[in-house]
Amino acid sequence: ETGVTQTPRHLVMGMTNKKSLKCEQHLGHNAMYWYKQSAKKPLELMFVYNFKEQTENNSVPSRFSPECPNSSHLFLHLHTLQPEDSALYLCASSPPTEANYGYTFGSGTRLTVV
Amino acid sequence: GDSVTQMEGPVTLSEEAFLTINCTYTATGYPSLFWYVQYPGEGLQLLLKATKADDKGSNKGFEATYRKETTSFHLEKGSVQVSDSAVYFCALRTGGGNKLTFGTGTQLKVEL
Repeated sequence: ETGVTQTPRHLVMGMTNKKSLKCEQHLGHNAMYWYKQSAKKPLELMFVYNFKEQTENNSVPSRFSPECPNSSHLFLHLHTLQPEDSALYLCASSPPTEANYGYTFGSGTRLTVV
Repeated sequence: GDSVTQMEGPVTLSEEAFLTINCTYTATGYPSLFWYVQYPGEGLQLLLKATKADDKGSNKGFEATYRKETTSFHLEKGSVQVSDSAVYFCALRTGGGNKLTFGTGTQLKVEL
């Protein structure tokens, strides 16, 4: 247990479905992140939130919609996904702007789009 | 901008062999350096870190020394085990910003 909890661990969804990924941390961190990890590709930073405000969106398609209601929770809402969106989605948190600290990652949600 | 370069994998070793995974970096500021490990089906876990030049991070028999003169942070272990089979990511973070910049990862396979 890392302190960052992601649910569900596995998700299979059709291209017309709507689903949400959840991430929760109680480490007192104020920055939260969504990453996408696809086979044989580098980690892709998708979104960054600082103190609940989105500070970075790395040209992510609108079919991915993040939500950060408070500093402890982060969601990724999914709709009308494509098969190429199948990947491991990782959530992470950190103290913001503290270079001495890395990120704490969750175990990820393995998403399969059929 | 900041970047991290890791050696290509996979690296395949026999149990009890010596491990080195090379990592070099480019940074505009004065970064902290990290190694993360990802076991199959899991997220990334922080393995070790170093926050200033000549610091040595160590954990679970793994070591890495922050070499500012060569901008490197190579990961070493004296005797690997099958259980060390995983993907290893080198990363850096500079002050004043959130961003943790990752290398592409190096897969390690340890065989009996």
